[in-house]
Amino acid sequence: DIQMTQSPSSVSASVGDRVTITCRASQGIRSWLAWYQQKPGKAPKLLIYGASNLQVGVPSRFSGSGSGTDFTLTIRNLQPEDFATYYCQQADSFPFSFGGGTRVEI
Amino acid sequence: QLQLQESGPGMVKPSETLSLTCTVSGSSVSSTSYYWGWIRQPPGKGLEWIGAIHYSAGSFYKSSLQSRLTISVDTSENQFSLKLGSVTAADTATYFCASYFYDNNVYADYWGQGTLVTVSS
Repeated sequence: DIQMTQSPSSVSASVGDRVTITCRASQGIRSWLAWYQQKPGKAPKLLIYGASNLQVGVPSRFSGSGSGTDFTLTIRNLQPEDFATYYCQQADSFPFSFGGGTRVEI
Repeated sequence: QLQLQESGPGMVKPSETLSLTCTVSGSSVSSTSYYWGWIRQPPGKGLEWIGAIHYSAGSFYKSSLQSRLTISVDTSENQFSLKLGSVTAADTATYFCASYFYDNNVYADYWGQGTLVTVSS
């Protein structure tokens, strides 16, 4: 099974900051990676698919990059509503798997 | 627009079977464009992918749960279901169902609101 490792596990930031979250796969997953945002008590929300494709309706301050084993989610000009937990998930092969999550906090 | 809604008991006794259903509206569970998935989240912890089903490709399970888990589709009710046997306290979690759209990539574009299942006697 493919293991997904996210770092950092948490990050403190301020409004207007740039935040970068990394995700590493234990083996190559091409670009079959998605990023999700989750707020407390809510279902996750799709942000990025195919490693770099912005889901419809997601602000352009979110961006994703990478392929193979190393991926990055970048949030530019952090907004108050962006304080949440972020997860990567590989969909290259079954069983799918999530990273451990990165909490973005004030 | 797709909508998914989980339903099932909020409490299950240890050693019994946890059964949940996800009702789909806005698409058919027989659509070949979707995998229908289950994800869970223990209280205060991260997301755990547990399994998915595709109408023609079959079922796929997390390796460590494979011996206890069954995911099936009911086309007459437009639902898909999860059955997890021999549960313990470690299976206490919020369970989400999700639709994984499949084209040049695979991603969960719609999610249910989640349902908390507690395993306790």
